[in-house]
Formats: sequence, structure tokens, C-alpha cells
Amino acid sequence: NAGVTQTPKFRVLKTGQSMTLLCAQDMNHEYMYWYRQDPGMGLRLIHYSVGEGTTAKGEVPDGYNVSRLKKQNFLLGLESAAPSQTSVYFCASSADTGRGNYGYTFGSGTRLTVV
Amino acid sequence: GENVEQHPSTLSVQEGDSAVIKCTYSDSASNYFPWYKQELGKRPQLIIDIRSNVGEKKDQRIAVTLNKTAKHFSLHITETQPEDSAVYFCAASLPTDSWGKLQFGAGTQVVVTP
Repeated sequence: NAGVTQTPKFRVLKTGQSMTLLCAQDMNHEYMYWYRQDPGMGLRLIHYSVGEGTTAKGEVPDGYNVSRLKKQNFLLGLESAAPSQTSVYFCASSADTGRGNYGYTFGSGTRLTVV
Repeated sequence: GENVEQHPSTLSVQEGDSAVIKCTYSDSASNYFPWYKQELGKRPQLIIDIRSNVGEKKDQRIAVTLNKTAKHFSLHITETQPEDSAVYFCAASLPTDSWGKLQFGAGTQVVVTP
């Protein structure tokens, strides 16, 4: 039982390049999220998904796209990377308990640098 | 939406002393308040959480208190140890239109000195 797995762990991109970050969970969780973490700003929600085939925008969605074709996978794409997207990206998942809220399980993070 | 403010941003304590981190939230409808600990270079991990129908919850050396009237909640760490050094994040979520979304505070860097 791996929990939440993110790939890659590190990446350096040139401005304008594209890439996809992969998040995979094996806990059969309905909900999945992508956050970015920047110094002094905590964790900010980029996009999230409440089930297979559904996605929605979070607090800072501009410049990112997501897809959830399979329940266990949530992909985050950067079509044209910008230096402002230099950050640590965390994927998380949570179970739908029917009570609306549950603790997250985070992946190990992806450190992305855009030069 | 919800807004969460966290104070202080840094906290230095002597080993054995207590540490307290406070968070305030804006939406009185928020009903779930977790705390996460993030060690350097690692992922955030849930350490304790509290729901709005409970005023206090304890787990060994850590406790969380919730004051719904004042809209704030606090993390208390007693008998601090060097391994408590980390960044701590509070969060809050709404029961409606939340889909489990958490709004995080900016984090508190806790340093425990021997």
C-alpha cells in the first residue's frame, strides 16, 4: 500500500516548456487535489477532483490544467511554464466519508524550477 | 470562501517548554480543522484534527482547542522535544461547497532548542 505517489520528484524546465506531473493513489479515494507550496504562503489549491472524470478550479488555477481519466490518477499539466510556477507541488487525496470532510494524505511532492 | 490566518510565523522554544500556535478563520460555517506537521523536505502529515461539535481534543503531548464564538483554534504542544521542530500548518474547511477542500494557514516554523 503505497498511499499517494508523485512523479517526478524534481524537475527543471525552461520557460515555455510543458510538462505533466502525475499523482497516483491506491486508497480508492474519491477526492484528489493539487496544491502548490511557496515560502510564507502556505499551501494553495490549484485544481481538485471529486471523482473520475470531474475536475474543478481552486484558488490559483491559471497556467495549469488537470485531468482525472482514472479514479486513481490525477494529472497536473503546465502547457507553457513560467518562472512564477517555480514551486513545490503536492498532490493529496481524501476519502468521501459522507460527512464532507476528512484528513488528507499527501504525496511526497515535486520540486519544480522554471528557468 | 474561507480565509485562515496563522500566528506566529516562527516560534522558538526551549526543550521541555510548551508551544502554542493560533489560527483564526473567517467563515463561521467552517466545521473541520486539521493540523499538519511538515518536516524539512518532507510531505505534510496530519497530526490532529477537530470538528466543530468538539471544543478540545488531545493526543499525548499535542492538543487542539476550538473557540467557535471567536472563530479561532489553537495547537498546543507540551514538553517539546527536538523532533517537534518542523513547520506546522492549520487548515479549515466548509461543509458546503467544500468537497473536502482545505484552506491552509501560512504555516509556523517551530524550532525546539536543546
